[in-house]
Formats: sequence, C-alpha cells, structure tokens
Amino acid sequence: EVQLVESGGGLVKPGGSLRLSCAASGFDFSTHAMTWVRQAPGKGLEWVSLITRTSNYIYYADSLKGRFTISRDNSKNSLFLQMTSLRVEDTAVYYCVRKTVVGNHLDFWGQGTLVTVSS
Amino acid sequence: NFMLTQPHSVSESPGKTVTISCTRSSGSIASHYVQWYQQRPGSSPTVVIYEDNQRPSGISNRFSGSIDSSSNSASLTISGLRTEDEADYYCQSYDNNNHILFGRGTKLTVL
Repeated sequence: EVQLVESGGGLVKPGGSLRLSCAASGFDFSTHAMTWVRQAPGKGLEWVSLITRTSNYIYYADSLKGRFTISRDNSKNSLFLQMTSLRVEDTAVYYCVRKTVVGNHLDFWGQGTLVTVSS
Repeated sequence: NFMLTQPHSVSESPGKTVTISCTRSSGSIASHYVQWYQQRPGSSPTVVIYEDNQRPSGISNRFSGSIDSSSNSASLTISGLRTEDEADYYCQSYDNNNHILFGRGTKLTVL
C-alpha cells in the first residue's frame, strides 16, 4: 500500500524556521519526482516545490522568494522541506505529493501536516 | 506567467450533468496537459482526469475531460451526478519552466 506520511508541522513564530518530512512507503520512492503542495485554511491548492528523482532538477514557486528548500534522501525514502523566514501567510496544510512516473499528474497525496505561523 | 480561471461554484441536481471550466489566461491550453483533482471535505485531493481526458483506474466513467482551443479552456464534465460528487475540483497544468499551476478551485454542490 502506498503511503506518504508528513510530519514536522506545528506552531512557529513569524521569522522562524521549520523542517517538514515525508516518509514514503509501498512504492519505489527513487523512481518518482516528488512535490510539496500547500493549502491555506479555507483556500485553494498552491504548488510549493518539485524535486526530480535524483535531485538533478529542483523547482520552486516564484512566490517563495528563496525561503524554502526541498530535498530528498532516496536511501531513506524521505522527502523534506526546509522553511525559513516564515510568514503568517505561510500558514497552511502542507501535502507531500507523488508525481507519476510516466506522465504529468500528481497521483498520490499524503494527508498533510499543518503549519501555523503566528505570534 | 498565466492563470487558470475556474468558476467559484456550480450546483446541479442529482442525476444531472455538470461541466466545470478552466480557462487559461495566456498561451495555448493545448501546450501543456491539464489535470483535474477532486477534494472532498476533510480529505486530500485525488486525480480524476489527467492529460486532458484520461481517467485513472478506479475513477468512474461519469467523469470526462476535454480541452477547447477556441475558448482556450479545459472542461471537466460529470454526468449522472451523485451526492458523493460534492467536492472542490481543481484544474492543474504546467508552465514552460516546469512549474505547476492550479486553478483556484470550483465548489460543486449537488442538491
């Protein structure tokens, strides 16, 4: 069974940092590009970042302005998102999402982890 | 960059057919595939249509997708509406820099 389990969310003050993790199981993690997608409370989906299978290519939403860093460890079937200089508007549920091997869609989503940025 | 514009909400009765549009603001809708995701309340999104009109295994054939170059838009059509179809639906595509873009979502009410 495919599983993506996010962790690391919580309450952080503006300007603070947080590192999200995503533990993957039930599939060959190293063969899939992975992404982070976030959803602010009551709002729509917003793509955050994508990393290819071997980390050769990494993409970020322009709105993040270099504050976030995506990485992965294929030996540990894990995906990470390091978030710095957090703002109130970064408050959201952060989803770890698998990109299909062949094609363009996001074919499996984790349950998400809530990040709350508040003083 | 471009935007994907969806209606904020649509509603229809059970058994009927509804179509949700997704209009690309600039550039051709056909230049990159469009996907559609369903998000039921309290749940994570799931893909219902990929590559404009392909249905993943396990998705009902009541769901179909298409693109229309004349209106520069993609559409998700759900026929034989059921109360379980009530959800938010998001279209998604890519730009030329491999960035993922989502529409702002459409709330479907089945009443």
